[in-house]
Amino acid sequence: SAVISQKPSRDICQRGTSLTIQCQVDSQVTMMFWYRQQPGQSLTLIATANQGSEATYESGFVIDKFPISRPNLTFSTLTVSNMSPEDSSIYLCSVQSGGEKLFFGSGTQLSVL
Amino acid sequence: AQRVTQPEKLLSVFKGAPVELKCNYSYSGSPELFWYVQYSRQRLQLLLRHISRESIKGFTADLNKGETSFHLKKPFAQEEDSAMYYCALKPGNKLVFGAGTILRVKS
Repeated sequence: SAVISQKPSRDICQRGTSLTIQCQVDSQVTMMFWYRQQPGQSLTLIATANQGSEATYESGFVIDKFPISRPNLTFSTLTVSNMSPEDSSIYLCSVQSGGEKLFFGSGTQLSVL
Repeated sequence: AQRVTQPEKLLSVFKGAPVELKCNYSYSGSPELFWYVQYSRQRLQLLLRHISRESIKGFTADLNKGETSFHLKKPFAQEEDSAMYYCALKPGNKLVFGAGTILRVKS
């Protein structure tokens, strides 16, 4: 299994500002994933973060809006840039470990005013 | 297109009653399917996966390729089963989630 520490757990931000979310794993993992869960909706994959290479973004998500860092095999950050109220959501970090299993962080609840 | 459909937003049953959470998928390849659960104030966690053919907390799920379904079942619901349940499809390295079903077990 993998234990994931994600922070901040929640934040309230002003529009136009940026927030960086951190994800720390207690073991080395190859792939880390960032998901978004908008109010009343399911989880949507934003991007896959691989160590040593650029993140792979899903359709509808771009690097300028959601820059991702992956400096090593246990850590990643997701930045939500130039925020607007539509970015209010829960952001989740997850990692693949133990074969096919995905483990999730506790999430970051973001509210943009 | 890869898609997971959970038709019920909310399923409410009495304790001891059978439970079936529906999940249908759309995928042209050989599917890998999972059920994830999120209990109140806890993080999302894996419940079971079809390749293991396991029973976790009394829940089972059988992949039916003909009906493209992966329904989650439990013969006798317990109050502690109340949670949000997500069906997920794994095409490649990523997971595609359904919209989720809230299961409410009433005493």
